[in-house]
Amino acid sequence: TQLLEQSPQFLSIQEGENLTVYCNSSSVFSSLQWYRQEPGEGPVLLVTVVTGGEVKKLKRLTFQFGDARKDSSLHITAAQTGDTGLYLCAGGGGNNRLAFGKGNQVVVIP
Amino acid sequence: NAGVMQNPRHLVRRRGQEARLRCSPMKGHSHVYWYRQLPEEGLKFMVYLQKENIIDESGMPKERFSAEFPKEGPSILRIQQVVRGDSAAYFCASSPGPGTGELFFGEGSRLTVL
Repeated sequence: TQLLEQSPQFLSIQEGENLTVYCNSSSVFSSLQWYRQEPGEGPVLLVTVVTGGEVKKLKRLTFQFGDARKDSSLHITAAQTGDTGLYLCAGGGGNNRLAFGKGNQVVVIP
Repeated sequence: NAGVMQNPRHLVRRRGQEARLRCSPMKGHSHVYWYRQLPEEGLKFMVYLQKENIIDESGMPKERFSAEFPKEGPSILRIQQVVRGDSAAYFCASSPGPGTGELFFGEGSRLTVL
């Protein structure tokens, strides 16, 4: 079983601050996805990273895949209240049998 | 709405009853996945289906749970003789093909067993 550990589990910051959350595993993944989930909704795909060391940017969100393809980080610059949500990392297996971490709950306070 | 459609959004059952959850994938997607989400436990894979075929059911309990994706109509996750521990959010996702890691999720069906 491939396990993904996300830290911190909960993070509360003021609007305008920066934050970084992490996703770590002892397993190597061919790709890793980040999703965001809001209360009462399903996860929404944000990004897929494939190459070790890859950095992808999505507006104020920066995603990095570790060189060894075992870990990833998500950095949010100048957080806004709309960034509040549960950020989930997921790694696959074949057949899209994704292993999900438990998530990073981010709360941005106005 | 061309997204993944799940119904019902909320379902309440008493112990011993049956629960049926339905999922229509995104248009053009023939791969359907069911995941279960329990508080504090995260999303867990249950089953992967293509039209008329179960491809991988390794995450689904052997008893009381079954899934199908018929040639016509939605995919159905069926839970027989529900117990309180089955209370959870059940999410369906679809993808255009296997192995992409990119899933499109529905809004989930929340099952409460009294």
